[in-house]
Amino acid sequence: GQQVMQIPQYQHVQEGEDFTTYCNSSTTLSNIQWYKQRPGGHPVFLIQLVKSGEVKKQKRLTFQFGEAKKNSSLHITATQTTDVGTYFCAVDDRSGTYKYIFGTGTRLKVLA
Amino acid sequence: DGGITQSPKYLFRKEGQNVTLSCEQNLNHDAMYWYRQDPGQGLRLIYYSQIVNDFQKGDIAEGYSVSREKKESFPLTVTSAQKNPTAFYLCASSLYRDGNQPQHFGDGTRLSIL
Repeated sequence: GQQVMQIPQYQHVQEGEDFTTYCNSSTTLSNIQWYKQRPGGHPVFLIQLVKSGEVKKQKRLTFQFGEAKKNSSLHITATQTTDVGTYFCAVDDRSGTYKYIFGTGTRLKVLA
Repeated sequence: DGGITQSPKYLFRKEGQNVTLSCEQNLNHDAMYWYRQDPGQGLRLIYYSQIVNDFQKGDIAEGYSVSREKKESFPLTVTSAQKNPTAFYLCASSLYRDGNQPQHFGDGTRLSIL
């Protein structure tokens, strides 16, 4: 079946440093979504990427979809303590249903 | 405000007991989902439903049951057959319009064994 690998599993950064998490699929994706889950909270939708090579920005966050639509990245510039949480990617399982497969997540800790 | 409401926030289950987690949405979304999250882990799909009176098993459906009698409601029952029920349970919903749309999550229910 379809597999979604997310790396790294954990990342500790000093406040002000940059951070990147990667999501890799074994198959070509139709689209990819990114979510953020704060400690003790629920996942919150950040963005959806659809087009090959697409790049979208939200303030300090930059999202990229690979040219082959098999991978994606989320980059945070100059991290802040408010960026703490776990970042998940989610991909369409391509079965024609409403079902998504979530990556294992990258847990980010920001040290002040 | 539109959103997803899960209740209760905390739930304790005695051995041999079935418990039901509530999930209600007023977003007029077609699809609803139940996920299980264990500490430090990702989301694993238990059941999902695309339309009323229809639902499909996810990756870890054993020991769980659901119903979808109304568009707004998708309750999850954790049965006594689920031997390790302690986890954080998340309900979500989404539209389906020319492809999958973002999932909106409830605040979750934390289930523990007494």
